[in-house]
Amino acid sequence: NAGVTQTPKFRVLKTGQSMTLLCAQDMNHEYMYWYRQDPGMGLRLIHYSVGEGTTAKGEVPDGYNVSRLKKQNFLLGLESAAPSQTSVYFCASSQSWGQPQHFGDGTRLSIL
Amino acid sequence: KQEVTQIPAALSVPEGENLVLNCSFTDSAIYNLQWFRQDPGKGLTSLLLIQSSQREQTSGRLNASLDKSSGRSTLYIAASQPGDSATYLCAVPPYGQNFVFGPGTRLSVLP
Repeated sequence: NAGVTQTPKFRVLKTGQSMTLLCAQDMNHEYMYWYRQDPGMGLRLIHYSVGEGTTAKGEVPDGYNVSRLKKQNFLLGLESAAPSQTSVYFCASSQSWGQPQHFGDGTRLSIL
Repeated sequence: KQEVTQIPAALSVPEGENLVLNCSFTDSAIYNLQWFRQDPGKGLTSLLLIQSSQREQTSGRLNASLDKSSGRSTLYIAASQPGDSATYLCAVPPYGQNFVFGPGTRLSVLP
């Protein structure tokens, strides 16, 4: 049982480049989330989705876009990467609001 | 806006000790409170969930309590083991809002 899978696990980008982080879950969960984790800042919600075809902004959405074309996948895009986006990105999913979230192992992203 | 704090930020104990981790939140209108564990280089793993109507929840050597009126939760770990070494985070979903996570307590259990 894979749970939540994130790809890639590591990536180094140059300022201005774009990339997409992929999250896939096999638990048929309705809700999916993208967080970033930074030292001293904790986990902060970037965007989330309450079902296929829906997305909503979280606490720190600027500079990111998301899409949920299929229920099992949630994509996070950086259109023009900036050094401030260097972070560890976590995807999570849950069956419904307020229920335990299942997390992937993260993507470590460095922007030079 | 809900704010969540955790004390201490780091804790080092010898194997076998019982220990308590603390979580405080500013808005008592919470749906539930959850405790997570994060191992280095990994994502979060859910440990315990306490509904807002409950006072405590137990799982094995872990016991979590909740006092909404004072805005506090504690995670009690009995007979600590080196395998318990990790960062422990609490999180609260305020009604109608998304999870707010605490900064975590980094626990080291020494053999």
